Amino acid sequence: EAGVVQSPRYKIIEKKQPVAFWCNPISGHNTLYWYRQNLGQGPELLIRYENEEAVDDSQLPKDRFSAERLKGVDSTLKIQPAELGDSAVYLCASSLDQGPGNEQFFGPGTRLTVL
Amino acid sequence: GNSVTQMEGPVTLSEEAFLTINCTYTATGYPSLFWYVQYPGEGLQLLLKATKADDKGSNKGFEATYRKETTSFHLEKGSVQVSDSAVYFCALGGTSGSRLTFGEGTQLTVNP
Repeated sequence: EAGVVQSPRYKIIEKKQPVAFWCNPISGHNTLYWYRQNLGQGPELLIRYENEEAVDDSQLPKDRFSAERLKGVDSTLKIQPAELGDSAVYLCASSLDQGPGNEQFFGPGTRLTVL
Repeated sequence: GNSVTQMEGPVTLSEEAFLTINCTYTATGYPSLFWYVQYPGEGLQLLLKATKADDKGSNKGFEATYRKETTSFHLEKGSVQVSDSAVYFCALGGTSGSRLTFGEGTQLTVNP
C-alpha cells in the first residue's frame, strides 16, 4: 500500500514569491492534515480536512496561506507571498477518520527554504 | 489549551543501555497519547499509543504507560540499538477531534 505522497521534497524560493505544495493521501483516508514543523520543534497543525471540507483551520495564517482539497482526495497548500519566517518542513498526513486514538500517517514532508 | 512537554535533548546512549524519555501533558478531558518516531530522512511514524488511563502501548521493544494521576506518558526501552537513533515525539490527541499536539521532540543517538 502506498503511503502519503508529497511533492516537491525540497523547495528554495526568494521572499515574496509564491509556492505550492501537493499531497496525495493514502487511498480511502477521508481526513487530511497539513502541519508545519519548524527546526527543532514538533509539528503544528495548519488545517484539517474531512473530505472536501476544511473543519479546522484556526491555525492557518489566512492572509498568505490557502489550501484546497477539491475532490476530497489530494490537496494543495499555497503560500503567497512567502516570508523568511515560512522556512520550515510542511507535512501532510491522513487518517481513516477523526476519532480519538486514530492513527495519522505522515508523508516525508516538503522542506521549504525562503531566502 | 492542550500542551505536551518532553525532556530536553539530545540524548546519547551506548548500545544496550536503558532508555527513558519523559513526557508530560496538560489537557482537558481524556486525551489519547502517542509516541511518534522520525528516522533520518523519513516521515513521522507512529511508534505506539494509548487511548485511556493505565493503558500500556508497546512496539519494537518500546513501552509507555498512560498515567492520568501524573499526567505522564514516558517512553522506555530496556536495551537500545544503534538503529533506534532517531527523533522521538510525544503527542496528544484531543478528545473531541483529531488534532495532534506535539512535544518538541527528543533526539536520540545510540553509539555502538
